[in-house]
Amino acid sequence: QKEVEQDPGPLSVPEGAIVSLNCTYSNSAFQYFMWYRQYSRKGPELLMYTYSSGNKEDGRFTAQVDKSSKYISLFIRDSQPSDSATYLCAMSYAGNNRKLIWGLGTSLGVNP
Amino acid sequence: DGGITQSPKYLFRKEGQNVTLSCEQNLNHDAMYWYRQDPGQGLRLIYYSQIVNDFQKGDIAEGYSVSREKKESFPLTVTSAQKNPTAFYLCASTDRRTDTQYFGPGTRLTVL
Repeated sequence: QKEVEQDPGPLSVPEGAIVSLNCTYSNSAFQYFMWYRQYSRKGPELLMYTYSSGNKEDGRFTAQVDKSSKYISLFIRDSQPSDSATYLCAMSYAGNNRKLIWGLGTSLGVNP
Repeated sequence: DGGITQSPKYLFRKEGQNVTLSCEQNLNHDAMYWYRQDPGQGLRLIYYSQIVNDFQKGDIAEGYSVSREKKESFPLTVTSAQKNPTAFYLCASTDRRTDTQYFGPGTRLTVL
């Protein structure tokens, strides 16, 4: 079993839809949780960062961490065609030499 | 502007040749990383370095070598021993306060 599981999709939604992207993990030591967005043939860019449990909102994006269920989510409200990309979750814990453990990424397409 | 640069953007290599991929950052980050990305396999860690003159193997180090002589620079050499080098290569550096990684634009290596 992988430490971090992420459904690769692809996920296709109409413009304006609410998108929910998820990752599950097995290591309860994870404390730092991140979501990255990667456009085709580009480097990943950091979207959201959360330490420990809780919610964090930034514009149309909301990140949630549920440590009791070992589950993290990224919600995108009012999705736009420009949100079409691959979304990767990543997580780490203190003492892991700052290495991130990555999900495989979910491919999202937003149709106008 | 602070950031990470990678060069070249595209690189073609004949079988049996070594090639070196450049990665430079001006973010004053101590730790730097090299990943390889193949379709459907997510990000796989090749090498990482937490401080100058020190580096460690990642999950797929065979056929690769690195050096870290300066804080700003972390070049990756893909040797002829790497059996399947065609891939997208990404360099990253870490903000030690949050473990978040910041990526360069990537180098696409094709072996002819």
